[in-house]
Amino acid sequence: AAGVIQSPRHLIKEKRETATLKCYPIPRHDTVYWYQQGPGQDPQFLISFYEKMQSDKGSIPDRFSAQQFSDYHSELNMSSLELGDSALYFCASSLGTGGNEQYFGPGTRLTVT
Amino acid sequence: GENVEQHPSTLSVQEGDSAVIKCTYSDSASNYFPWYKQELGKGPQLIIDIRSNVGEKKDQRIAVTLNKTAKHFSLHITETQPEDSAVYFCAASPYSGGGADGLTFGKGTHLIIQP
Repeated sequence: AAGVIQSPRHLIKEKRETATLKCYPIPRHDTVYWYQQGPGQDPQFLISFYEKMQSDKGSIPDRFSAQQFSDYHSELNMSSLELGDSALYFCASSLGTGGNEQYFGPGTRLTVT
Repeated sequence: GENVEQHPSTLSVQEGDSAVIKCTYSDSASNYFPWYKQELGKGPQLIIDIRSNVGEKKDQRIAVTLNKTAKHFSLHITETQPEDSAVYFCAASPYSGGGADGLTFGKGTHLIIQP
């Protein structure tokens, strides 16, 4: 079965640079979630979108923004990168909202030097 | 906001024995409780979930129980196998029916299956 696709899988950036992470949900899924996972930590919810509209907001820094496009894929834009932004970034998708199962992608490993 | 506590942080069991991981949550509005298995370098994999209108759910060797009054839920794995070794996360979310609510995760349990 098709899964969530994330690109790139690995990304190395320098401090103060920008980065864009992409997420392609499971076909027919209309809801996308972004999570950040530091080394040895649990995933932290950043933001979610349903039908191209922002739905829920977690601990997303003001330097980050995201959107969902007409084909339901989503992009997470990160500016003024800091060393502390180095982490795994996961995208998850679901069909609908309200406690529906969230399926995670393989993640993008971002390293900020 | 929601706070999820998970115990133990590390659990080592003999192959074939059972493993139990426990979680508690703080927000009485939380109604959806999934469990994820994460292997090294991979994304979390949904293995089972339970909603507040159900007290127990089973899928082959895996079962989850929920006590909404006490605000705790548990994962039970029977007849453990080497491939069960991974980090397991519990999570909670309000099942509001109106939005794409994010999950609040526990800190994770590193399950080690000893051959």
